[in-house]
Amino acid sequence: AQSVTQLDSHVSVSEGTPVLLRCNYSSSYSPSLFWYVQHPNKGLQLLLKYTSAATLVKGINGFEAEFKKSETSFHLTKPSAHMSDAAEYFCVVSVPSGTYKYIFGTGTRLKVLA
Amino acid sequence: NAGVTQTPKFQVLKTGQSMTLQCAQDMNHNSMYWYRQDPGMGLRLIYYSASEGTTDKGEVPNGYNVSRLNKREFSLRLESAAPSQTSVYFCASRGSGTGSTDTQYFGPGTRLTVL
Repeated sequence: AQSVTQLDSHVSVSEGTPVLLRCNYSSSYSPSLFWYVQHPNKGLQLLLKYTSAATLVKGINGFEAEFKKSETSFHLTKPSAHMSDAAEYFCVVSVPSGTYKYIFGTGTRLKVLA
Repeated sequence: NAGVTQTPKFQVLKTGQSMTLQCAQDMNHNSMYWYRQDPGMGLRLIYYSASEGTTDKGEVPNGYNVSRLNKREFSLRLESAAPSQTSVYFCASRGSGTGSTDTQYFGPGTRLTVL
């Protein structure tokens, strides 16, 4: 069975410092993994996705994530936080069945301090 | 190209009332999904439709019904609303390629409060 665990429900960083949002997954198959961002009172926007082409995936707004099979992790990073990065972030694994359902993590709320 | 649209954006119901949430996509996607989002629980799948004319239950289907009206539209109906259905509802669609790499595209959400 597939599952996703986001290890931190809240993360606070100062503007200009690095961001690390942690995600571990469990999958019986070679997984497809995604990070989505949700700004307050908005819908979900795709940040990046891993589809086995490369273990280091670059996304929008300077975010990237590294797929580590040995650690079953897919952590999201950004070298320098910006105030506009304050949002909730979801790690998602796609179930490789005919309907490709998503399994969501419980989310990490990122706070950026001035 | 509007992507995925949802109506209404906000709704307040009294317990026992019924309503239908509308969703439409203009990306010619085959698959569509309804989720609910509750604090601390991420998004949970209510129902999905792999293609026009088919629907299946997701993780939390109780108290809901769906209709895949055509390829573009997928509606979610609450027949007798309960306070436990207070939530934010998201519709999503996915393209028709093979493999589990297809991305789901989300609408802006409907905020529903049941009093």
